[in-house]
Amino acid sequence: DIQMTQSPASLSASLGETVTIECRASEDIYNGLAWYQQKPGKSPQLLIYNANSLHTGVPSRFSGSGSGTQYSLKINSLQSEDVASYFCQQYYDYPYTFGAGTKLELK
Amino acid sequence: QVTLKESGPGILQPSQTLSLTCTFSGFSLSTYGMGVGWIRQPSGKGLEWLANIWWDDDKYYNPSLKNRLTISKDTSNNQAFLKITNVDTADTATYYCARIADYSGPFDYWGQGVMVTVSS
Repeated sequence: DIQMTQSPASLSASLGETVTIECRASEDIYNGLAWYQQKPGKSPQLLIYNANSLHTGVPSRFSGSGSGTQYSLKINSLQSEDVASYFCQQYYDYPYTFGAGTKLELK
Repeated sequence: QVTLKESGPGILQPSQTLSLTCTFSGFSLSTYGMGVGWIRQPSGKGLEWLANIWWDDDKYYNPSLKNRLTISKDTSNNQAFLKITNVDTADTATYYCARIADYSGPFDYWGQGVMVTVSS
């Protein structure tokens, strides 16, 4: 199985700040990577797919980058509605696997 | 508009079989490249992929659940199903179904989830 190591586990940031979340795969996943946002009590929502493509309707302050085994999600100009947990997921190979998640809070 | 909604028993006892239904609209599971997956999440924990079913009835399972999983679909009624046999307390979780619009793509739309508790 491909292991997805996500960091940090938690993050505290101020409004307007830029935050970055990292995900490392245990082998090359050839950009088969998605980022999801999950707010408390809600289902995950797709933000980024194919490592750097923005899903329909997602604000442009979210962006994804990376290749090979290293990927990152960047949130520019943090808004209060961005408080949530974020998960990466590889869909390059079965079994699909998720990172453990990053809980983003406001400072 | 793509929507998915899960339904299930709510609570069941250890060793029973869990049967889940995903009823969806806004797409067809007979469309080339389309798929539906099941993912679960224990309370306060991470996400675990369980299974996918594709437009051509191809199926993939998480080997960590060994042979306990069966995924199926009813294309004419826009439903997908997941059965998990011999449940125990470790199967207590919120279960989600989600669409995959591209054979090599991510889960682009998710249902609201259904909570399942296994307890004696």
